[in-house]
Amino acid sequence: AQSVSQHNHHVILSEAASLELGCNYSYGGTVNLFWYVQYPGQHLQLLLKYFSGDPLVKGIKGFEAEFIKSKFSFNLRKPSVQWSDTAEYFCAVNGPSGGYQKVTFGTGTKLQVIP
Amino acid sequence: GAGVSQTPSNKVTEKGKYVELRCDPISGHTALYWYRQSLGQGPEFLIYFQGTGAADDSGLPNDRFFAVRPEGSVSTLKIQRTERGDSAVYLCASRRKGTGLATDTQYFGPGTRLTVL
Repeated sequence: AQSVSQHNHHVILSEAASLELGCNYSYGGTVNLFWYVQYPGQHLQLLLKYFSGDPLVKGIKGFEAEFIKSKFSFNLRKPSVQWSDTAEYFCAVNGPSGGYQKVTFGTGTKLQVIP
Repeated sequence: GAGVSQTPSNKVTEKGKYVELRCDPISGHTALYWYRQSLGQGPEFLIYFQGTGAADDSGLPNDRFFAVRPEGSVSTLKIQRTERGDSAVYLCASRRKGTGLATDTQYFGPGTRLTVL
């Protein structure tokens, strides 16, 4: 079965600091990887996704993530965070188990950006 | 709006009661998903519909949980004999297609917060 682990449950940063949130997945086959974000009081929304090709994926709002197959990792990065990035971030994966329809989420990382 | 909608936004019930949670997907989306999100956890897959049929219900925790999508649009998640452990936010999501490598975006609704007293 596929699984996802997110290393940090709660991260506190000052504005302009750099961000890296860790994500590792357990499935060894061909997978699709996602980062979702949930801003306070809002729906879960897609930040970025990786299916194939360039392992460095750029998403909305200046976020990017790098797929490193050998490490089973898909870490999320942003060079300079803003107060408006305060949110909860979820890494997710889908793969052949479940016919690519069953998405497995990590437990999430709460990011708090201090002005 | 054109997003996924869920009703009610909040539901408080007593242990042992029956509840129904409704999801209205984005128009034209054939795939519909239900997830459950407990406090401090990520969304947990429950069931997936491709059209009217439940293509994968392996995430339903037990036979007290059931979901339908009779006309391939609106879906209802039904929970019988609710227990305190069922308290969670129930999320619905839809995708335009429900086949292939699932590369198109999954859009989430706001969720229904269920509290079982």
